[in-house]
Amino acid sequence: KAGVTQTPRYLIKTRGQQVTLSCSPISGHRSVSWYQQTPGQGLQFLFEYFSETQRNKGNFPGRFSGRQFSNSRSEMNVSTLELGDSALYLCASSFGQAGDTQYFGPGTRLTVL
Amino acid sequence: AQTVTQSQPEMSVQEAETVTLSCTYDTSESDYYLFWYKQPPSRQMILVIRQEAYKQQNATENRFSVNFQKAAKSFSLKISDSQLGDAAMYFCAYLDNFNKFYFGSGTKLNVKP
Repeated sequence: KAGVTQTPRYLIKTRGQQVTLSCSPISGHRSVSWYQQTPGQGLQFLFEYFSETQRNKGNFPGRFSGRQFSNSRSEMNVSTLELGDSALYLCASSFGQAGDTQYFGPGTRLTVL
Repeated sequence: AQTVTQSQPEMSVQEAETVTLSCTYDTSESDYYLFWYKQPPSRQMILVIRQEAYKQQNATENRFSVNFQKAAKSFSLKISDSQLGDAAMYFCAYLDNFNKFYFGSGTKLNVKP
């Protein structure tokens, strides 16, 4: 069974630009969660999508948004990039029931110059 | 909000020896799930072990086992017969009933040959 995939693996952008990251979950999984990992703040929850609906949201500004498609693939968008948005962005998929194990993708490394 | 504390930023163990990584958490919920994830230099988060809070029996997975003390809100990971491939960052994580993860700051494990 294929694991969670994320594209692209690396991105370099400049301040003010916007970026879209993609996540394809494990086949059969309907929940996709996004996390930001930085040396200073550690791993922080961004949001979760289940059946094309945002079900849960972390404490991030509105510049961070996402969506999920009918095939459960999810995209995350960051607009008006800031230097502090440089991070490893991880997505994780699960069946979506309470307590289900989340399986992580390899991450997208975003660098904002 | 739930908090997860890993008080050991870095630990070292000799190959074939046993090491225990500590984790404590704070919650007012009675039903939740606890996980240990491993993040090697490749940055992919890999599930090590999972524990349901309603289960008194400690989870085990081959060389990995946990000591779950619900009253003390403690969830330590024991790695037996340590191998070079165990070297990584280890994250303790609390999963609430809304599928939201709260991660500790991580413990870097070094394995000496």
